[in-house]
Amino acid sequence: DGGITQSPKYLFRKEGQNVTLSCEQNLNHDAMYWYRQDPGQGLRLIYYSQIVNDFQKGDIAEGYSVSREKKESFPLTVTSAQKNPTAFYLCASSTRGRETQYFGPGTRLLVL
Amino acid sequence: GDSVTQMEGPVTLSEEAFLTINCTYTATGYPSLFWYVQYPGEGLQLLLKATKADDKGSNKGFEATYRKETTSFHLEKGSVQVSDSAVYFCAERDSGAGSYQLTFGKGTKLSVIP
Repeated sequence: DGGITQSPKYLFRKEGQNVTLSCEQNLNHDAMYWYRQDPGQGLRLIYYSQIVNDFQKGDIAEGYSVSREKKESFPLTVTSAQKNPTAFYLCASSTRGRETQYFGPGTRLLVL
Repeated sequence: GDSVTQMEGPVTLSEEAFLTINCTYTATGYPSLFWYVQYPGEGLQLLLKATKADDKGSNKGFEATYRKETTSFHLEKGSVQVSDSAVYFCAERDSGAGSYQLTFGKGTKLSVIP
């Protein structure tokens, strides 16, 4: 079955630690996105990538980093510079940058 | 920047009641408009979309019409079920060149009681 997978479902971060969230898609989509969701808020864009080896900052990129070495993978690293990382993180992909975005199941990040 | 405003929840309805969730947007031109649904603990699922004025998106009994004159995209369903309980997000994507970002509303939580 084609789709978007995110792992882990829950992730715990200690103070000063970097953590990486995985996002994989087998839909052959060119574009991939990372969003952050906070309670009672809409989704906010962290980073997006239209093609391999290229990505752009979204509205709230500070404290995050990404890579796009393969078409099907777009991992997100939450660095120690992100002072309020507790949130639900959603990965999405689309055929091209202007087409409908489809979402993965999400990763919930909690701080110990 | 662009923004999307949707009615605040939570909304509680009895089964078989009529549902309306209001959504308005500020983007100029002809943005694409979307409704997504999020069930507890899950990611977002595309519910329906419309890409030009007067288009009606529909899926699973839900409908929304792209109204350019009122910059609105209200979600409706004639008879809700308990299984429709979820959070609903309205979103728009600007029609400008190079525009890839979706702008989301804050979401409206719907609870349907038997």
